[in-house]
Amino acid sequence: GDSVTQMEGPVTLSEEAFLTINCTYTATGYPSLFWYVQYPGEGLQLLLKATKADDKGSNKGFEATYRKETTSFHLEKGSVQVSDSAVYFCARQLQGGSEKLVFGKGTKLTVNP
Amino acid sequence: EPEVTQTPSHQVTQMGQEVILRCVPISNHLYFYWYRQILGQKVEFLVSFYNNEISEKSEIFDDQFSVERPDGSNFTLKIRSTKLEDSAMYFCASSGSRYNEQFFGPGTRLTVL
Repeated sequence: GDSVTQMEGPVTLSEEAFLTINCTYTATGYPSLFWYVQYPGEGLQLLLKATKADDKGSNKGFEATYRKETTSFHLEKGSVQVSDSAVYFCARQLQGGSEKLVFGKGTKLTVNP
Repeated sequence: EPEVTQTPSHQVTQMGQEVILRCVPISNHLYFYWYRQILGQKVEFLVSFYNNEISEKSEIFDDQFSVERPDGSNFTLKIRSTKLEDSAMYFCASSGSRYNEQFFGPGTRLTVL
């Protein structure tokens, strides 16, 4: 069935390190893809999104490119900060069909000073 | 900035008891959702609600679950007879239109003993 698979965590990095969190999806049709972030004690917040192939979503130094050929939407940041410590969720939504979000399991990122 | 709020933040109940989880969506939003996350597992869609009726529900959302928008501001999830496996974090979300960003609340942690 339709699903989202993301890299198992936890991920621990030092400040200013490069971050990649892998995400792949399966879906019928043409999904929109999202990265949500959950900071400690808070709800899920939309970090970035892409609605069609080759689109790049970006926000707060994070980027992800919608790759239809590899069904991937990997999250990257060139230089992480301590304040980026959070749980990151990849998700997809089918346009024109159900508006429900289908999430990956989440990846916990800890950035040490 | 408008936000989705949820109460209580943590609910502990005995198996077989009824619980009501409460959410106040963003005031001009029309689409409402409940998701849940069992510890260590994916965030899963439960139900979507629009125009005072359920528009979609998952297999998880069986007859023990119900949703209501009793007064035009609150959006509630009721579990009639809780089971141990209902223990999870429950997230409410709202959206201004069907395929727009879903804004999430901070969640209610439900513990069934």
